[in-house]
Amino acid sequence: GAGVSQSPRYKVAKRGQDVALRCDPISGHVSLFWYQQALGQGPEFLTYFQNEAQLDKSGLPSDRFFAERPEGSVSTLKIQRTQQEDSAVYLCASSLLSRDRGEKLFFGSGTQLSVL
Amino acid sequence: GDSVTQMEGPVTLSEEAFLTINCTYTATGYPSLFWYVQYPGEGLQLLLKATKADDKGSNKGFEATYRKETTSFHLEKGSVQVSDSAVYFCALRDNTGGFKTIFGAGTRLFVKA
Repeated sequence: GAGVSQSPRYKVAKRGQDVALRCDPISGHVSLFWYQQALGQGPEFLTYFQNEAQLDKSGLPSDRFFAERPEGSVSTLKIQRTQQEDSAVYLCASSLLSRDRGEKLFFGSGTQLSVL
Repeated sequence: GDSVTQMEGPVTLSEEAFLTINCTYTATGYPSLFWYVQYPGEGLQLLLKATKADDKGSNKGFEATYRKETTSFHLEKGSVQVSDSAVYFCALRDNTGGFKTIFGAGTRLFVKA
């Protein structure tokens, strides 16, 4: 596709509900990142995939957060038993190569999650 | 761990004023440094980058120099325009195997006509 696509654009969940957020990266991009951005803050790293392998999940805030990228393209971020503190914009970014020092990230528009 | 600190906003300037947004970093290795920008209603996009000490990144009249001795990467522009109003994020990329990019909190810039 032309860019990184995320869906849904907005998600409202009741506390305790499970949610799934989808990211469709740019075709051929090896690296995929998930970030969480609270209001007025910078993006906080959650997890990183290289193709289908999840190489870094050090930023996932709890075991309620789970991410996958089974075929090395589309990725899903799942949040179980949502809490109010999970309310944020979830950003997906992709990049072509993982070893270029100047490699830039291409960001999607994000999914704004509101937990009531 | 690695971190990025940038000046708090909002910064409000008149058109054609000089802009500086300060950014300092802490890193154990030799990171690459970036400025990303988020215009109203749009996603984050790369503004400029520098991959080693003393490199200068530049784009759209903006410049930033990678200063290893002061661990800084300050963003400057000689004459801002209303269309530069946006949120600016300083970021570093770990090149020691982690590959993740760490962002500062962002600085909102308002430019008045």
